[in-house]
Amino acid sequence: EAGVAQSPRYKIIEKRQSVAFWCNPISGHATLYWYQQILGQGPKLLIQFQNNGVVDDSQLPKDRFSAERLKGVDSTLKIQPAKLEDSAVYLCASSLGGRVGNEQFFGPGTRLTVL
Amino acid sequence: AQKVTQAQTEISVVEKEDVTLDCVYETRDTTYYLFWYKQPPSGELVFLIRRNSFDEQNEISGRYSWNFQKSTSSFNFTITASQVVDSAVYFCALSEATGNQFYFGTGTSLTVIP
Repeated sequence: EAGVAQSPRYKIIEKRQSVAFWCNPISGHATLYWYQQILGQGPKLLIQFQNNGVVDDSQLPKDRFSAERLKGVDSTLKIQPAKLEDSAVYLCASSLGGRVGNEQFFGPGTRLTVL
Repeated sequence: AQKVTQAQTEISVVEKEDVTLDCVYETRDTTYYLFWYKQPPSGELVFLIRRNSFDEQNEISGRYSWNFQKSTSSFNFTITASQVVDSAVYFCALSEATGNQFYFGTGTSLTVIP
């Protein structure tokens, strides 16, 4: 079974530029999550999708971050414009459904450096 | 308030020693799940174990074991006979019934010295 795929693996941009990350979840997984992991910290949820609908985006900085999951499969997370404090690893995860207790399977992450 | 606390920031052990990673959680839900994930240098979080709030039975799975105690809100994880490949950051996480997001601790960096 293929795991969660993410691209790119690394991205370096200058502040005020835009960047987009892509995620392809495990086949059949209805729930998709985007996390931000700042160095030395645990992952923090940014947004959760159930199929193509947003379940929770309470911690997404909506003035600069946006995400979509068209057709309920792949997802894209965008930052526009980027700030220095956005430097982090962006992790995508998926799970079978929204039921509490389902383990989440994580992708390798995209390491973003904002200069 | 931090829902999941991992007080140990870094731990170093010599290969073949046993090591216990501590996790303390906070929740008002009666139904919840606790997880341990491993994050090796490659960066990908790997699921290790899961426990629900109604099952306090402690188990052993290979070199891994866990001690879940609701009375102290703790969910500690033990690696027996540690190996160099166990070197990673370990995260404890909580999932509550009132939502489905995971609350991660700040992680414990484990280094196993050969």
